[in-house]
Amino acid sequence: GQSLEQPSEVTAVEGAIVQINCTYQTSGFYGLSWYQQHDGGAPTFLSYNGLDGLEETGRFSSFLSRSDSYGYLLLQELQMKDSASYFCAPGNTPLVFGKGTRLSVIA
Amino acid sequence: ETGVTQTPRHLVMGMTNKKSLKCEQHLGHNAMYWYKQSAKKPLELMFVYSLEERVENNSVPSRFSPECPNSSHLFLHLHTLQPEDSALYLCASSQDTGSVSNYGYTFGSGTRLTVV
Repeated sequence: GQSLEQPSEVTAVEGAIVQINCTYQTSGFYGLSWYQQHDGGAPTFLSYNGLDGLEETGRFSSFLSRSDSYGYLLLQELQMKDSASYFCAPGNTPLVFGKGTRLSVIA
Repeated sequence: ETGVTQTPRHLVMGMTNKKSLKCEQHLGHNAMYWYKQSAKKPLELMFVYSLEERVENNSVPSRFSPECPNSSHLFLHLHTLQPEDSALYLCASSQDTGSVSNYGYTFGSGTRLTVV
């Protein structure tokens, strides 16, 4: 079986930093992926952490601690366009997603 | 465009109709998936095809019938649906490496289905 926990909603101010946490329980863990989905749009792949530590891609970073079954997505210099839903998913195929976190960026 | 194209974008159908959703990818991926996304629910995995073979059917009712004629095309045939089947149906593809999805899935924009 598999379970994922993310906050359902987060609100942050434009220009700020926000962290979206993800805790998981899964058998045969193969890393953690993050996806972004704007309203009415397709989910898009953001990052994958196969090993513990921080992966940085521009304004977005993702972190994984396998011993804690925990990861997070860090978004810096928030922009209005970052308002979207963010999903973590253990990297085992096929991907199974949680309910996601709805991020609202306000002026 | 993501490289995965779904048609139609919107579909309204009656409970007695038969319709099909189409998904096409030209990314050279060897695995394709159908997901259902309802309001306030997680993305639900419906079907998985790897190398054109169905490898998973996630307890989906028989009124949904998938078809994968080749590695680039995936269909979802619909018949006698219920109003609660109204949702966004998303197709995705990936390069199946056996167990790890480190290169990510590419999703289409989905078909917004309304059953009346």
